[in-house]
Amino acid sequence: EVQLVESGGGLVTPGGSLRLSCAASGFTFNNAWMSWVRQAPGKGLEWVGRMKGYSEGGTTDYATPVKGRFTMSRDDSKSTLYLQMNSLKTDDTGVYYCTRETDLIGDWGQGTLVTVSS
Amino acid sequence: DVVMTQSPLSLPVTLGQPASISCRSSQSLVYSDGNTYLNWYQQRPGQSPRRLIYKVSNRASGVPDRFSGSGSGTDFTLKISRVEAEDVGVYYCLQGTHWPPGYTFGQGTKLEI
Repeated sequence: EVQLVESGGGLVTPGGSLRLSCAASGFTFNNAWMSWVRQAPGKGLEWVGRMKGYSEGGTTDYATPVKGRFTMSRDDSKSTLYLQMNSLKTDDTGVYYCTRETDLIGDWGQGTLVTVSS
Repeated sequence: DVVMTQSPLSLPVTLGQPASISCRSSQSLVYSDGNTYLNWYQQRPGQSPRRLIYKVSNRASGVPDRFSGSGSGTDFTLKISRVEAEDVGVYYCLQGTHWPPGYTFGQGTKLEI
């Protein structure tokens, strides 16, 4: 069974940083393409970024609102995906979901809440 | 950039009756490999999203057969043949054909009894 467990969310002031983690199990992580998707309170879903698998060089793509501020990385030895978020803004507040790509976005984690507020 | 437009945004339904949600893209979603990368997701209240349909019309594992997807090019539809109470939630379409800029979700359609 595929499991994706996010952690690292919390309250941070504007301009601050936070690192989210996603512990994966139930599939071969090092070949998996992974994405982060977020959801502001009471709003819809917004794709944040994607990281390809090891065999594709682990290249990344980011949505325009987070480009240059957010960085995805992975530790295949720990089956863990990360999202480093810098220069956080109030608009970055929301639940962040870790997802695995199979025919676009397939599996979802339970999400972790990030609140950016002074 | 491609824009995904869902309608209606709110859909009151009666138990046992059919329901239909439309998703239109500003550009054709047919990719160069011949596939159309359009998925549907369900998000029940308080839960994570769950994939229902992939590549227009393929039901994901464990999805009841009362859910079906259809469409082509720029116009797509999710249909529920007979709505059940557990179907309450928000439904999203997602395109993955045009890259960059990356995945694009529709605004969501709230289905309520």
